[in-house]
Amino acid sequence: AQRVTQPEKLLSVFKGAPVELKCNYSYSGSPELFWYVQYSRQRLQLLLRHISRESIKGFTADLNKGETSFHLKKPFAQEEDSAMYYCALSGTGTALIFGKGTTLSVSS
Amino acid sequence: KAGVTQTPRYLIKTRGQQVTLSCSPISGHRSVSWYQQTPGQGLQFLFEYFSETQRNKGNFPGRFSGRQFSNSRSEMNVSTLELGDSALYLCASQGDPNTEAFFGQGTRLTVV
Repeated sequence: AQRVTQPEKLLSVFKGAPVELKCNYSYSGSPELFWYVQYSRQRLQLLLRHISRESIKGFTADLNKGETSFHLKKPFAQEEDSAMYYCALSGTGTALIFGKGTTLSVSS
Repeated sequence: KAGVTQTPRYLIKTRGQQVTLSCSPISGHRSVSWYQQTPGQGLQFLFEYFSETQRNKGNFPGRFSGRQFSNSRSEMNVSTLELGDSALYLCASQGDPNTEAFFGQGTRLTVV
């Protein structure tokens, strides 16, 4: 069965500290992996996808097929990074399946 | 271009009633998906429509149904509402499969 697991419900860090939001997935095939972000009072939006291999707002994510993980990382957290982060996967002919999300709280 | 539009933004219904929510996707997008968002369960997939056909379905009871029209607009219906149906219902549209999904602002349904 296809599944996305985000083990941390809440991650609290100080400004300037490194951030790693964990995501593990289960899918028999080659899925497309995404990170979506929801800032306070804003709609859910795409942050990055593994196929583009970009760095967005300082965030990167590497797909590790051996560990079936797609962790989101940022070397120095900013207060404006505080938001809800969702990891999601999409397979051939499937819709987006989301993890339960991790709330990132960055304080000064 | 205009984003995904969901109407209404807020709804209050009584247990046992039914409700219909509407979603207008981005122009040119043929795929529309629906999700239920709650604090405890996060985003749960309801169903996906593509060119008026239901292509995927999540694990929800038959009280939850949907449809898509020829202009790609979609509606979802929940019958015999239960208190546990209170949630934010999100709609997303995609152009091609496995591409970025664009989300609406959601409809906040409260069942009392």
